[in-house]
Amino acid sequence: AQSVTQPDIHITVSEGASLELRCNYSYGATPYLFWYVQSPGQGLQLLLKYFSGDTLVQGIKGFEAEFKRSQSSFNLRKPSVHWSDAAEYFCAVESMYSGGGADGLTFGKGTHLIIQP
Amino acid sequence: ETGVTQSPTHLIKTRGQQVTLRCSSQSGHNTVSWYQQALGQGPQFIFQYYREEENGRGNFPPRFSGLQFPNYSSELNVNALELDDSALYLCASSLSGWMNEQFFGPGTRLTVL
Repeated sequence: AQSVTQPDIHITVSEGASLELRCNYSYGATPYLFWYVQSPGQGLQLLLKYFSGDTLVQGIKGFEAEFKRSQSSFNLRKPSVHWSDAAEYFCAVESMYSGGGADGLTFGKGTHLIIQP
Repeated sequence: ETGVTQSPTHLIKTRGQQVTLRCSSQSGHNTVSWYQQALGQGPQFIFQYYREEENGRGNFPPRFSGLQFPNYSSELNVNALELDDSALYLCASSLSGWMNEQFFGPGTRLTVL
């Protein structure tokens, strides 16, 4: 079964500084990887996704992520954070449908991003 | 284009009761997935519905059940509520098949006392 690990529960970054959120996955085949953001009282919004092709993926709101198969990682980055980026960030993996149907998205436990002024 | 909507926003129940949560899909989407998000955790997949039938299920007991209607809206039913069922329940709609983006609703916050 697939799994996702987000090693950092909380990260504090100064406004304007760069950001990297870590994500490691465990999955036997080629994974379909996602980063979602969740603001208080909101549902999940997709930032970016990766399945194949260029290992550096661009997303919305200035975020990007790099897939590294050798490290089983899919880290999220942003060159300069804004106060509005404070939120919960989730990495997720989806497996190819098996004969039993969909397995849904498997999420990590999330990283809470705090922005210091 | 209307996004995914869920009702109610908040709900308080007592242990042993039953609850029904509702979800309206985004226009054009024929697949609905439900997730449970406990406090401080990532969402966990409950099940998915496609063409009014369950199309995959996570590690949840049978007291979690669902329905999908011809207009693709969906219900999540939980019987015999337990304290650990307290969570944010998220609905996501998508087109059928793998690799189609799931669009999430704002969720229903269920508290079981």
